[in-house]
Formats: sequence, structure tokens, C-alpha cells
Amino acid sequence: SAVISQKPSRDICQRGTSLTIQCQVDSQVTMMFWYRQQPGQSLTLIATANQGSEATYESGFVIDKFPISRPNLTFSTLTVSNMSPEDSSIYLCSVTGTGEWEQYFGPGTRLTVT
Amino acid sequence: DQQVKQNSPSLSVQEGRISILNCDYTNSMFDYFLWYKKYPAEGPTFLISISSIKDKNEDGRFTVFLNKSAKHLSLHIVPSQPGDSAVYFCAASASDSNYQLIWGAGTKLIIKP
Repeated sequence: SAVISQKPSRDICQRGTSLTIQCQVDSQVTMMFWYRQQPGQSLTLIATANQGSEATYESGFVIDKFPISRPNLTFSTLTVSNMSPEDSSIYLCSVTGTGEWEQYFGPGTRLTVT
Repeated sequence: DQQVKQNSPSLSVQEGRISILNCDYTNSMFDYFLWYKKYPAEGPTFLISISSIKDKNEDGRFTVFLNKSAKHLSLHIVPSQPGDSAVYFCAASASDSNYQLIWGAGTKLIIKP
């Protein structure tokens, strides 16, 4: 399985500011996913990011709020823009494994918005 | 509408006994199912999966059973160990979904000494 790192691991941000989360993979992968896990809840897919194309956003998530970059096959960023306390969550990136159906996750970024 | 449901928020099991975690789904198009384990402050870790063409898959202490007619799957852990204490998520995918996973709410498993 791929080794995935995320930066930062956690942050406390003020309302109205933006935070960019980085996801680095130790091997080239086609598909990367960004998830949100709100407190006490399950994982919700924000978007799918494939290299060389625009990210595909799930219902309820828009590019202006969560812009994503995927400049190469090992790296992606997710920006949480104009943050509000409702954006306080754990944000996770994942990649598909050799089995395609399995996804492997980074350690997550714990975001608190005050 | 929750397509994947884990109705037990938590489960407490004695060390050495069997842990059984349950998951129900509503979408008949799902044809691949996965279980993940998550420790606090870590990302989910893939445990075991099963395709809809099978009704059982085993990997060491972990066995997943699939009952397609009941739209139900379960994860059995035998014997349960203290390190198994974690939140367990069930996830499902349809072959035409571009590998997107739909997740249950999770079950917190506590292994008692």
C-alpha cells in the first residue's frame, strides 16, 4: 500500500480565513480523494482529484469553497476557503490501491475554526 | 438517505471472545464492500473486503460475511484482542461509481480485558 502524508496535521484558524492542506504520496497514483469527517460522523467524500483534469465535486461541495489542485501523480492540495466554525472537521486524503476498490488514507488534518 | 447503515454506535466485547460488527445497505447496485478500522488521530486503515460474487472472505482473525438477499454484511473478529479497540467503518461501492465509497457511521469496538 502507498504511504501518504498530510500537512498540517492540525490547525486552529480564525473565521473568514483560508487553509491549504497538502497530501503527498510516495508513489504515482491516478485517483486521489478528499474526504471530510465532522465530529462524531462518518466520512463524506468532498471530491475526486485526477491528475490532468478538473476535480469532480460531490453534491453539497463547490469549487469556490474547496478548490483542489492536482499538479502531478504524487501530490494534491485542498483549500478550505472563507472558513466558518461549521468547517471544523478532520480532512482526509486517500488514494486507490492496487486492488482499485481499496483506498488508503493519510493521517488526516484536524481543523478547528474559531 | 443513508445507503450504508451501522446501527450499533458501540460494542463492548471480552478479550478472547468473538466480536461481530454489522452493516446494512439499501442500494442493490453495490457490488463491493470493505471494512476499515480507525484509531483516534489516524486515517482509516483498510482491513478486509468482499465482492458481491462471494458470501465469505477470510483473512487471519477477520472474516466478512455477505448476505445479498438481506443486504447485510458482518465482520467477525476471532479472537478479539485489546489492539482491536477502534472505530470500524463499513463502506460500499458500485462498479459504475468510479470507485467512490459510501460509508457507514461507524461502530466503536471496545475490547475489555
